[in-house]
Amino acid sequence: AAGVIQSPRHLIKEKRETATLKCYPIPRHDTVYWYQQGPGQDPQFLISFYEKMQSDKGSIPDRFSAQQFSDYHSELNMSSLELGDSALYFCASTLRGGEPYEQYFGPGTRLTVT
Amino acid sequence: AQKITQTQPGMFVQEKEAVTLDCTYDTSDPSYGLFWYKQPSSGEMIFLIYQGSYDQQNATEGRYSLNFQKARKSANLVISASQLGDSAMYFCAMRPPGGSARQLTFGSGTQLTVLP
Repeated sequence: AAGVIQSPRHLIKEKRETATLKCYPIPRHDTVYWYQQGPGQDPQFLISFYEKMQSDKGSIPDRFSAQQFSDYHSELNMSSLELGDSALYFCASTLRGGEPYEQYFGPGTRLTVT
Repeated sequence: AQKITQTQPGMFVQEKEAVTLDCTYDTSDPSYGLFWYKQPSSGEMIFLIYQGSYDQQNATEGRYSLNFQKARKSANLVISASQLGDSAMYFCAMRPPGGSARQLTFGSGTQLTVLP
């Protein structure tokens, strides 16, 4: 079965640079979530989208922005990167109104800021 | 606000034995969902099991079962017949009301090590 796809899987950036992370949800899924997991931390919710509109917002810094496109893929744009942004970034997807257990995670993008 | 508490930072279990990973939660909402995910050292988050707050029976998925005690607000994961491949970080998570479209709140995780 198709899973959530994230690209790139690994990314190394320098401070003050920008980064774009991409997420391709499971086919039919209309809702996308972004989570940030720092080293040794639990995942923290950043932002979510349903039908290309932002649906919920968590602890996402103002330096970050995200959007969902017409094909339901989503991109997380991160600017003025800081050392503390080094983390594993997960995308998850679900189908609104679907099975309640359906929130499947992608493999994550490991961002390292040097 | 919702809160998930996992009080066991690390657990050890002998291969082939059963192990229980604790999870307690705090919410004032009558409707919620509880999840367990496994995160191996490779980093991916693997869905294991789900329990809805109105589900009458405890969820089971193969060797995984969820001991759901609603009055005590606990949702412990039981892994039977542990295998070496079960060594990983395990996260308990909660989803608030609003159906499948709401985001998850995670506990701090339990690092399980299965000993040969």
